[in-house]
Amino acid sequence: EDQVTQSPEALRLQEGESSSLNCSYTVSGLRGLFWYRQDPGKGPEFLFTLYSAGEEKEKERLKATLTKKESFLHITAPKPEDSATYLCAVPGETSGSRLTFGEGTQLTVNP
Amino acid sequence: NAGVMQNPRHLVRRRGQEARLRCSPMKGHSHVYWYRQLPEEGLKFMVYLQKENIIDESGMPKERFSAEFPKEGPSILRIQQVVRGDSAAYFCASSQDRGREKLFFGSGTQLSVL
Repeated sequence: EDQVTQSPEALRLQEGESSSLNCSYTVSGLRGLFWYRQDPGKGPEFLFTLYSAGEEKEKERLKATLTKKESFLHITAPKPEDSATYLCAVPGETSGSRLTFGEGTQLTVNP
Repeated sequence: NAGVMQNPRHLVRRRGQEARLRCSPMKGHSHVYWYRQLPEEGLKFMVYLQKENIIDESGMPKERFSAEFPKEGPSILRIQQVVRGDSAAYFCASSQDRGREKLFFGSGTQLSVL
């Protein structure tokens, strides 16, 4: 069974203080890894898909990287509007669209 | 270009009543997924449907829960005889194709069972 573990559970940063979120996974075969952002009271919003170890994707202050066992979401010089819960997920073996989500990292960026 | 539409946003039911949650996928999307987010837990897959077909219902509780995606109209997640443990946020997502596709999520329906 696929497993996804995210750390830390919660992270408080000062505006401009860069950091990284971790997503480690155990799957029978890597079929990709998704990052989503979820704001309170809303559904997850897609950020990135990574398909192979060594791949990197960037969007504004966010950069996602992937190794064979984990993924990192690097946040450079964050702003208060980056405050959200960040979720990672892996697709299932038999049904690629069945995502197994981690429990998320709740990021708070203070001004 | 509307996104995934879910209604109602909030639904209050008493124990034993039925709950019906609706989801209209994004235009052009024929694949619909339902996920549940219990308090203090992550998102859990429930069911994957295409028009008139249930493709994967391995995450659905065996009793009281059912889902459909008719040829016309929204997808419906139906919970019969609700219990307090059914209180959760229910999210619908859609995609244009199956497989390694990103999902577009709705804003969810918050179900509260009194």
